[in-house]
Amino acid sequence: GAGVSQTPSNKVTEKGKYVELRCDPISGHTALYWYRQSLGQGPEFLIYFQGTGAADDSGLPNDRFFAVRPEGSVSTLKIQRTERGDSAVYLCASSLAPPGQGHEQFFGPGTRLTVL
Amino acid sequence: KNQVEQSPQSLIILEGKNCTLQCNYTVSPFSNLRWYKQDTGRGPVSLTIMTFSENTKSNGRYTATLDADTKQSSLHITASQLSDSASYICVVSEPGGYQKVTFGTGTKLQVIP
Repeated sequence: GAGVSQTPSNKVTEKGKYVELRCDPISGHTALYWYRQSLGQGPEFLIYFQGTGAADDSGLPNDRFFAVRPEGSVSTLKIQRTERGDSAVYLCASSLAPPGQGHEQFFGPGTRLTVL
Repeated sequence: KNQVEQSPQSLIILEGKNCTLQCNYTVSPFSNLRWYKQDTGRGPVSLTIMTFSENTKSNGRYTATLDADTKQSSLHITASQLSDSASYICVVSEPGGYQKVTFGTGTKLQVIP
């Protein structure tokens, strides 16, 4: 595709429910990142995939959060037993290679999650 | 812990005026620093990237500077336009095959007519 896409753009759920957020990276990009952004803050790292494997999941806040990328392209961020504190914009980014090699991360528009 | 701090937190300027945004970081070792522009409701978009050896880089009306010794960077916006209203985020990457990037909290710029 032309850019990184994320669905849904908005998600409203009730406390305790399960949600899935989807990211479609740019075709051919092996690196994929998930971030969480609260109002007025910069993105906070959650997890990084290189190909199909989660190379670093140290940013996931607890075991309610899980992400997969089974075929090395589309990724799904899964949140179980949602809490009000999970409300934020969840951003996905992809790059041709890791950013430390100078490759730009291209961000999707984000999914705004609201937990009531 | 690696940190990236930005100032000011927010800024309001008149259309046509210049402004400078600051970024201080403690990330070490260092690979590159990017400035991103994030419009409301959108994902961040890269404006400039600088490596250790670069001191300044321009992209139209945006000019970024880097002092790797003091670990400071600035983003200067010349002749501001209403469309410059956005959050500007400083992002620092470490070197190596895989690295996390460290994001600053951003400066929210509002350009008013």
